[in-house]
Amino acid sequence: AQTVTQSQPEMSVQEAETVTLSCTYDTSENNYYLFWYKQPPSRQMILVIRQEAYKQQNATENRFSVNFQKAAKSFSLKISDSQLGDTAMYFCAFMNRDDKIIFGKGTRLHILP
Amino acid sequence: DTGVSQNPRHKITKRGQNVTFRCDPISEHNRLYWYRQTLGQGPEFLTYFQNEAQLEKSRLLSDRFSAERPKGSFSTLEIQRTEQGDSAMYLCASSLQGEEAEAFFGQGTRLTVV
Repeated sequence: AQTVTQSQPEMSVQEAETVTLSCTYDTSENNYYLFWYKQPPSRQMILVIRQEAYKQQNATENRFSVNFQKAAKSFSLKISDSQLGDTAMYFCAFMNRDDKIIFGKGTRLHILP
Repeated sequence: DTGVSQNPRHKITKRGQNVTFRCDPISEHNRLYWYRQTLGQGPEFLTYFQNEAQLEKSRLLSDRFSAERPKGSFSTLEIQRTEQGDSAMYLCASSLQGEEAEAFFGQGTRLTVV
């Protein structure tokens, strides 16, 4: 069974700083997707960034980028120039070949003014 | 299309009562997912569908939980004989198989069992 582990329950950084959120996963599959989702307080979950396992190049979306290490089964999220609006729960997620999506327990990120 | 819609947004029920939630996915999305989320935790997988076919149901889910997607469009999640431990946010998501795999989430139904 696939598992997703986020080892940082909570983090705080100053506005404009860079922060990295960690995620590891376990699977025996070779082809899959990985995601980072953001859940702002009392708001719905939205996709931040996705990575296809067969792509070696790390995905980037504006201030958000990932460090995908397939052999190590690691998938960290880097947020550059953090903004107050980045305050949210962040969930790492794994999608298997059958499109089943499982989530980690999340990291609560606080951006401090 | 306004996205994934879930109803009701909030539900308070007495222990032992049955409740049913509805999810309307984005049109043409053939995948539909149900998750349960408790405060400060990640979404816990419950079940998912491809069109009207239920592909998998979590082994952690008791027989009191049942989900349907009769015509491959909207879905319902029913909880029978609710318990206080069922209190949680129930999230629905949908996706189009093969389309960059993005799942879109609804705003959830918050269930409180008293």
